[in-house]
Amino acid sequence: DTEVTQTPKHLVMGMTNKKSLKCEQHMGHRAMYWYKQKAKKPPELMFVYSYEKLSINESVPSRFSPECPNSSLLNLHLHALQPEDSALYLCASSQVVVRRGSYEQYFGPGTRLTVT
Amino acid sequence: DQQVKQNSPSLSVQEGRISILNCDYTNSMFDYFLWYKKYPAEGPTFLISISSIKDKNEDGRFTVFLNKSAKHLSLHIVPSQPGDSAVYFCAARYNAGNNRKLIWGLGTSLAVNP
Repeated sequence: DTEVTQTPKHLVMGMTNKKSLKCEQHMGHRAMYWYKQKAKKPPELMFVYSYEKLSINESVPSRFSPECPNSSLLNLHLHALQPEDSALYLCASSQVVVRRGSYEQYFGPGTRLTVT
Repeated sequence: DQQVKQNSPSLSVQEGRISILNCDYTNSMFDYFLWYKKYPAEGPTFLISISSIKDKNEDGRFTVFLNKSAKHLSLHIVPSQPGDSAVYFCAARYNAGNNRKLIWGLGTSLAVNP
């Protein structure tokens, strides 16, 4: 099973709303990632969690707040977003302890976020 | 500065023929390379990868070749099928301890025509 699930699939929110994106994987991966992707661009890394601890924050504005409640779940809390934050938000997971150089990250289908 | 370059934004191939997607990199600290396929409004799907200690890896219709001296890799799809039409991203891992970042190219849009 190489499935990463994300909910919701689509989200429309106003600039004063608070919402959360959810991600779940059951592959036993202990590294989880949030990416943002704009049309015709590669995924842009936002956060990395390793063993449920935040290990990389790519200078993301504080209106995005990640949370990793356990080894299978990853959330992204959104507050006071701007229209330019509209994008496809992708969750991914991978192994932490790598054997034989297996660094693949497995992506979920994404949440299409529109900020109005 | 783009460390992973996919110089062809698009490629069009006839069904049944070979598709060759190219990727160049500048950083000799990259030790692992991956190819992802992406359909519109979906997450990237992992296709195939190669370690820097190898020069070829094959999985079904997909083969990745690595030329370390030229800092060049390519993905060959044989035979190409219409369902292969998607954007293909090349990504590289920077070898620095527990570094989990992948450096991505800008993608090549492949169209396989029936």
